[in-house]
Order: sequence, then C-alpha cells, then structure tokens
Amino acid sequence: ETGVTQTPRHLVMGMTNKKSLKCEQHLGHNAMYWYKQSAKKPLELMFVYNFKEQTENNSVPSRFSPECPNSSHLFLHLHTLQPEDSALYLCASSQGGRDEQFFGPGTRLTVL
Amino acid sequence: EDQVTQSPEALRLQEGESSSLNCSYTVSGLRGLFWYRQDPGKGPEFLFTLYSAGEEKEKERLKATLTKKESFLHITAPKPEDSATYLCAVQRDSWGKLQFGAGTQVVVTP
Repeated sequence: ETGVTQTPRHLVMGMTNKKSLKCEQHLGHNAMYWYKQSAKKPLELMFVYNFKEQTENNSVPSRFSPECPNSSHLFLHLHTLQPEDSALYLCASSQGGRDEQFFGPGTRLTVL
Repeated sequence: EDQVTQSPEALRLQEGESSSLNCSYTVSGLRGLFWYRQDPGKGPEFLFTLYSAGEEKEKERLKATLTKKESFLHITAPKPEDSATYLCAVQRDSWGKLQFGAGTQVVVTP
C-alpha cells in the first residue's frame, strides 16, 4: 500500500447504527486530518491530529468521534447520524502542520 | 472572517484553448496557498504551494501565480485529461488548518 488509504470506500447506514471509518497513511507523516466534503460546498476541516494529539476540533457534533492510536492510523467513529451527514469523508496527512496535505480517496457515506 | 472565493464555478474549454482560474482570498497572516486537483470520486491531488506574492510554480501545462489578494492557475493548451475540479486552499498561521474554496470544475473537450 502506498500513500493514504481509507476503508470502507462506500458506507450506507441507518440513523441508529454505529460504524467506523479507517484511515492509514504510509508516508511517514506526523499529522493527520479528517475533512467532510458535501455536494456544492467547500471541504470542511473536522479534526486535526499532531503526533497523535488532537489539536483542532472544528465545532464538530459529538456524534462524530475521532481516534488516533498512532501517527499512521486515524479513525472516525460514527453514531446516531443524521441524513444531512451524508457526504464524502476524506482523510489527509502531512509531514508537519504547515506542509502540503496528501489525501486519501475518501469514504462515500450515505445516512438513511 | 477568512474567505476563499474561486471563479468561475465551471469552465468548458476546447482542447488547446488556454485559460485561467482565479482564487481570491481575504485572510490575515497567510502562511501558504495550495492548489489541488480533484477527479470525480477521488480525493484531492496536491499540485502546488505558493508562499509569497510574486511566486510562480509550473507543472506540465499548469502554472500557478500569487499576489497579495489572489492566485491564478493558468492552463496552457489543455488536453481532455486536464478535466477535473481545481481547488485552492489558504493556510493561516494556525497549525494545519486549511480553508478551501468551492472549486472550479474544468471540462476540456477534444
């Protein structure tokens, strides 16, 4: 595997389900990010992790819960989501906080 | 409040017809401006980083420039494979935080 990988690529869930998105970076980077991309809207930064420590929570609802067990892996735990949470969820990583970010292919999430 | 505005929203070009995309921004303490390319169903692909006014960077048919208020992405003699959505993002002094524009969707027809 190379670059940034995300699983699953597609996810359909009901509003009462609990699911998790997984991201893994194979670039030796120190920082990882979660973004949300909705149709016709700019990418929205959700969370930032630097050396496994969360440094940014961009006013994200508590039904989204991130976890970063090490600098290579990042999870987004989802529970009791709403239909408006349907979007493409993108993971990214960078060497440092001020370097270019490299993105994974995303998870297309549909909440019924 | 920081703002990033991209124009036009969509651009349709004939193969070989050069054009420019605009990214205007209002942000205090600009640390860097980033350009990305995004194909349908994929994550954004990094193209360029610009750090200071007057800076220019090139890659194949793409050239990015930066002034104190805006950045341009020039596409010279585009080919159909240049069809994508082009995103710009600005980074303030805040560590790691990128603010993206809504993107310009470019379609290049043969």
